[in-house]
Formats: sequence, C-alpha cells, structure tokens
Amino acid sequence: AQSVTQLDSQVPVFEEAPVELRCNYSSSVSVYLFWYVQYPNQGLQLLLKYLSGSTLVKGINGFEAEFNKSQTSFHLRKPSVHISDTAEYFCAVSGGVDYKLSFGAGTTVTVRA
Amino acid sequence: SQTIHQWPATLVQPVGSPLSLECTVEGTSNPNLYWYRQAAGRGLQLLFYSVGIGQISSEVPQNLSASRPQDRQFILSSKKLLLSDSGFYLCAWSVKGGSGNTIYFGEGSWLTVV
Repeated sequence: AQSVTQLDSQVPVFEEAPVELRCNYSSSVSVYLFWYVQYPNQGLQLLLKYLSGSTLVKGINGFEAEFNKSQTSFHLRKPSVHISDTAEYFCAVSGGVDYKLSFGAGTTVTVRA
Repeated sequence: SQTIHQWPATLVQPVGSPLSLECTVEGTSNPNLYWYRQAAGRGLQLLFYSVGIGQISSEVPQNLSASRPQDRQFILSSKKLLLSDSGFYLCAWSVKGGSGNTIYFGEGSWLTVV
C-alpha cells in the first residue's frame, strides 16, 4: 500500500515570493506521483505528475516538482507566487497496480499582497 | 476531449431524506469511475470506485451506496441521510491502464444535511 504525508497544513506567503510545499510518500513498489490544486468551492485540477524519466517535472501555472527517490519526496515549488495561487494543494501517490490514488491531507496556501 | 459533469452542484437535505448525486463522463469509454468525499477541513476520502458496469467496490463502511447503470454514468445514493454525510462530494474518472492512473475530477457537489 502507498501513503502520502504533506508536512505543512498551512503555508502563508507574500506575493512574488517563492513557495515550497513538502510531500513525502511511502511505498513498497514503484510509484507515480501527482500534485493537484483545488480553488475554493471547485473540484481538483491536475498540476503535474511524475511517471518516469526526468526527476524534475514542470506543470501548469509555473509550478514544478522534483522526485527524490532516496528521500521519498516529491516537493512542489514555484519561484514567484500570485494572489491567484491561493488554494489548497494535494499530493497523491499511485502504485500503478490498482485503480486508486492515495491523497495527502492537503496544504492550504494563502498568498498576501 | 473528455469532460466530466456532476449534479446537483449544491444540495440541502433534511436528516432521514434520500440522496442521489449523478455523474457522467463524455469523450471516453470504459473508464474507471470514483466517488470521493471531502469533509470540512479534511482531505479526500475514497468512497467507491468502479471498473465497469455493475462493478462497485466500497472503500469504507457507511450510509451511502453507489451504482453504475451505464458505462459512463456513476450515481451516489443514500436511503436516509445522516448529519455526518455533509460534505463536498467529488466524482472522478481515469483511463484503464494509462498514464499512471491519472485521475480527473468533476466540479463537485456540496451536500448539507440539516
């Protein structure tokens, strides 16, 4: 079975500052990793995913994440945030052998002017 | 392209009343389908998933049930709602065997049980 831990429940950040959201996973098999974003009162939107290949993954809206197998981490970063990046962010892992994703508890990012 | 729709978007129901949330996927065939619940201030909990018509797997014991009467239709139901059923319900789909099981979500349905 796979599981995900998001290390920060809330991250306040000023506009144009960088942000990093931390995600650690555990799995006994090879994994696929995902980051989703949820804007208020909306469904989840896929930001980016790691399936294989380059460990640095670029996604939408200027976000990127780095897969680190030795540290079992998949941290999300953005060099300069906007007010519109205020949202909840979910890390998720799939073992690929079944049909399910395991989600972290989420990190709420609040961007202030 | 594929799209997913769920309705109603918002629902206020009294305790003990029935529930029906519906979800349809367009632009794909034979998808995996999912119902998730997101309670206030909490993460996502997988309630049900389906790999085909009439095939439903329940992840947690609860007051809810799911059905898949057609290939791209997924319904979440309850005969008698409880206060604890309140939350944000999300339908989702994925392609079988593809892309690391990337899951795509609908817009969500807010359920308030009063």
